[in-house]
Amino acid sequence: EAQVTQNPRYLITVTGKKLTVTCSQNMNHEYMSWYRQDPGLGLRQIYYSMNVEATDKGDVPEGYKVSRKEKRNFPLILESPSPNQTSLYFCASSLTGTTAYEQYFGPGTRLTVT
Amino acid sequence: AQSVTQLDSQVPVFEEAPVELRCNYSSSVSVYLFWYVQYPNQGLQLLLKYLSGSTLVKGINGFEAEFNKSQTSFHLRKPSVHISDTAEYFCAVSDLAGGYNKLIFGAGTRLAVHP
Repeated sequence: EAQVTQNPRYLITVTGKKLTVTCSQNMNHEYMSWYRQDPGLGLRQIYYSMNVEATDKGDVPEGYKVSRKEKRNFPLILESPSPNQTSLYFCASSLTGTTAYEQYFGPGTRLTVT
Repeated sequence: AQSVTQLDSQVPVFEEAPVELRCNYSSSVSVYLFWYVQYPNQGLQLLLKYLSGSTLVKGINGFEAEFNKSQTSFHLRKPSVHISDTAEYFCAVSDLAGGYNKLIFGAGTRLAVHP
C-alpha cells in the first residue's frame, strides 16, 4: 500500500530534550515536506526537500532541522524543543517538487512540550 | 506571495442538506488548487484538485468544486451531506513561484453535520 508513515504518533516531552520524528514514504517520491498545524493557522511549511541531500527552509524553520540521506526518509529533528513547538506535525511527499502534483500526507504526530 | 482565505471557520449543517465551503485565493498567473479533508485524528486526504481544463471539478465522496478565475475562488460543494462528512476541510493553492511545489493552506473550515 502506497503511504507516508510517521513515528511516533504521539509524543510528550520536556523543554530542551532532543527528539526526532521519523517520516518514510514508499512511493519513490522525490519531494518531501514537513508541516505544522496550529488552530486557526492551517498548515505551515517547516522544511522541504527536493531530493536526496537537497533540503531547504520553509516558512517556519526556526528550531527545527531535517536531513535527507535516503530518498524514502525525511526525519524532523528538534534539538532543543520549547513549548511553542507544541503542535500537530505532518510529513508529506509528492512525485516531484517542480510540478503541482498532489501531496500525500502522513497520519500526523501530536507533540506536546512541557 | 500566494495566500488562501477560507471564509468560514465553522459550518454547521443538518444531514442531507446541501453545503458550500468557501475559498478565495490571491491572484496569480497560473494557479493549481486543491481541497483536502482531515477526519478526526487522521492525516489529510485529497478530495479534489484543479490543475487545468474544466472549471467544475469532481472529487471523492460526492464533493465538487468550481474554479472561478475572475472571482479568484474555488468553493467546495456537496448537494447532500452525511454525518460521516463531519471533518475539517482545507483549501490549498500550489505556488510554483519559488521554483518548487509549495502548498499554501487556508486556515481550515470545520464542517459539523447534525442529524
